[in-house]
Amino acid sequence: DGGITQSPKYLFRKEGQNVTLSCEQNLNHDAMYWYRQDPGQGLRLIYYSQIVNDFQKGDIAEGYSVSREKKESFPLTVTSAQKNPTAFYLCASSTQSGGQETQYFGPGTRLLVL
Amino acid sequence: GNSVTQMEGPVTLSEEAFLTINCTYTATGYPSLFWYVQYPGEGLQLLLKATKADDKGSNKGFEATYRKETTSFHLEKGSVQVSDSAVYFCALSDRVSQGNLIFGKGTKLSVKP
Repeated sequence: DGGITQSPKYLFRKEGQNVTLSCEQNLNHDAMYWYRQDPGQGLRLIYYSQIVNDFQKGDIAEGYSVSREKKESFPLTVTSAQKNPTAFYLCASSTQSGGQETQYFGPGTRLLVL
Repeated sequence: GNSVTQMEGPVTLSEEAFLTINCTYTATGYPSLFWYVQYPGEGLQLLLKATKADDKGSNKGFEATYRKETTSFHLEKGSVQVSDSAVYFCALSDRVSQGNLIFGKGTKLSVKP
């Protein structure tokens, strides 16, 4: 089955530690996205990538980093500079980033700080 | 800039009641409009979409009509079920935002038997 997988489902971070969230898709989509969801709020865009080896900052990129070395993979690193990382992180992909394309979402990773 | 405003919840209904969740938007271009649904502990699933004015999106008994004159995309369902309990997000995308989705804050729906 085609889809988007995110791992792990739950992730715990210690103070001062970097952690990496995995996102893989086998939909052959060009564009991939990372969103952060906080309770009672909508999703906010962290980073997006329209093509391999290229990515752009979203609305809340500070404290996060990404890479796009392969079309199917778009890992997100939450660095120690992100002071409030506890949230639900969602990865998405679409055929391209032009305006009408539907984004398809993974099941999410919940990040908690110890 | 672009924005989406949807009615605040939570919304609690009895089974078989009529559902309306209001959504209005602000956009400089001609956006596409979406409704996504999120079940507890899961990611978002596309419920329906509309890409131009007067289009009606529909799926699983849910409907929404793209109204340019009122900049609205209200979600409706004639008879809700307990299994419809979830959080519903209205969103838009357009070429100005490079296809990135802009979400409303979500409306939590609880349906009681």
